[in-house]
Amino acid sequence: DAGITQSPRHKVTETGTPVTLRCHQTENHRYMYWYRQDPGHGLRLIHYSYGVKDTDKGEVSDGYSVSRSKTEDFLLTLESATSSQTSVYFCAITPGHTYTGELFFGEGSRLTVL
Amino acid sequence: KQEVTQIPAALSVPEGENLVLNCSFTDSAIYNLQWFRQDPGKGLTSLLLIQSSQREQTSGRLNASLDKSSGRSTLYIAASQPGDSATYLCAAPEGSNYKLTFGKGTLLTVNP
Repeated sequence: DAGITQSPRHKVTETGTPVTLRCHQTENHRYMYWYRQDPGHGLRLIHYSYGVKDTDKGEVSDGYSVSRSKTEDFLLTLESATSSQTSVYFCAITPGHTYTGELFFGEGSRLTVL
Repeated sequence: KQEVTQIPAALSVPEGENLVLNCSFTDSAIYNLQWFRQDPGKGLTSLLLIQSSQREQTSGRLNASLDKSSGRSTLYIAASQPGDSATYLCAAPEGSNYKLTFGKGTLLTVNP
């Protein structure tokens, strides 16, 4: 258990509305990631963070923004949700402060955009 | 760009059988490779992390091997049980950056 909490776990929203997903960790890990998982595409990296206020884009970052104002929280924002963003979103961390490539995942947040 | 392929996409075996899941990757300049398990509706559970300096890593009935030169990794499950039924994914890094590329997984069903 890497001490990752995602919220909300389930959300239904309408096209055009803003949505923020939260990833919270309690063990001071430096590296945090947001992935989405879709049938036929597998897991794809959206954004990642390598420290407070240090973030970078992943493979599918269009339409998403992130913020990390403190170590424990990594927020994923959909500024104007679209149906193509219906997905399961996973937060992950690399334990500790040194990058090892090892990932531990949260339980996921299922988002439905109508 | 790293590409990760898992074959087969699905596998059904009787309980007690030993089985092998395959993972291939295109960029062999990796420093590690990780295997995960995912149960329906759940997150991913880390099973094994193999460093590039290792050839094998074992945890209980699971054994993962890594052959960088051929771009392949295998996950061996001994004496399979119905509780092993899940989707198994492998992931390899893209070069030396922070991005992992995932395979699409192998859906394993172990029948009692």
